[in-house]
Amino acid sequence: DTGVSQNPRHKITKRGQNVTFRCDPISEHNRLYWYRQTLGQGPEFLTYFQNEAQLEKSRLLSDRFSAERPKGSFSTLEIQRTEQGDSAMYLCASSPRGGGSQPQHFGDGTRLSIL
Amino acid sequence: DQQVKQNSPSLSVQEGRISILNCDYTNSMFDYFLWYKKYPAEGPTFLISISSIKDKNEDGRFTVFLNKSAKHLSLHIVPSQPGDSAVYFCAAIGGSQGNLIFGKGTKLSVKP
Repeated sequence: DTGVSQNPRHKITKRGQNVTFRCDPISEHNRLYWYRQTLGQGPEFLTYFQNEAQLEKSRLLSDRFSAERPKGSFSTLEIQRTEQGDSAMYLCASSPRGGGSQPQHFGDGTRLSIL
Repeated sequence: DQQVKQNSPSLSVQEGRISILNCDYTNSMFDYFLWYKKYPAEGPTFLISISSIKDKNEDGRFTVFLNKSAKHLSLHIVPSQPGDSAVYFCAAIGGSQGNLIFGKGTKLSVKP
């Protein structure tokens, strides 16, 4: 049982560039979540997929952010025209279904640094 | 308007003693709570959870207590070990889709 895999682990880019992160959930987990964590804060919810359908988006997810999960397997999170405030750790999590009895399993995240 | 609060940024305990990490919440509609542990450069790892219909859940050295009337939960680690040194996050199931609402975390240091 491999865990949640995220790539790349680190990304450094100049302000204004586009970046894309990938998340491979635990196989057969149909639920996938993206979170963002900044220094001194807990992870904050960004968006949720059930299979290939994006069912919920946080107000934190501005128009510059887009997420996809084609075929209900891996997911990508793209940030267009990056800004300094986008610097954060982006975490992906998956679970077989919602609710505390099936907790979310997190990947090790992608750390984004905007120069 | 933080819905899940961990008011102690850090806690230091001696190896073998009890560690008590506290968490308060404001939304009485939360029906599930979880604790995650996070080491540097790793993602959060699930520790233990509790349903709002219970007041205690135990798993080995870890016990979570829930006081619904006070909107308070706590994680007890007994006995504490140096390997328990990490940041501990309290979280609640916040949405209909199961997304988690996290506190800011408490950094636990267990000294040998």
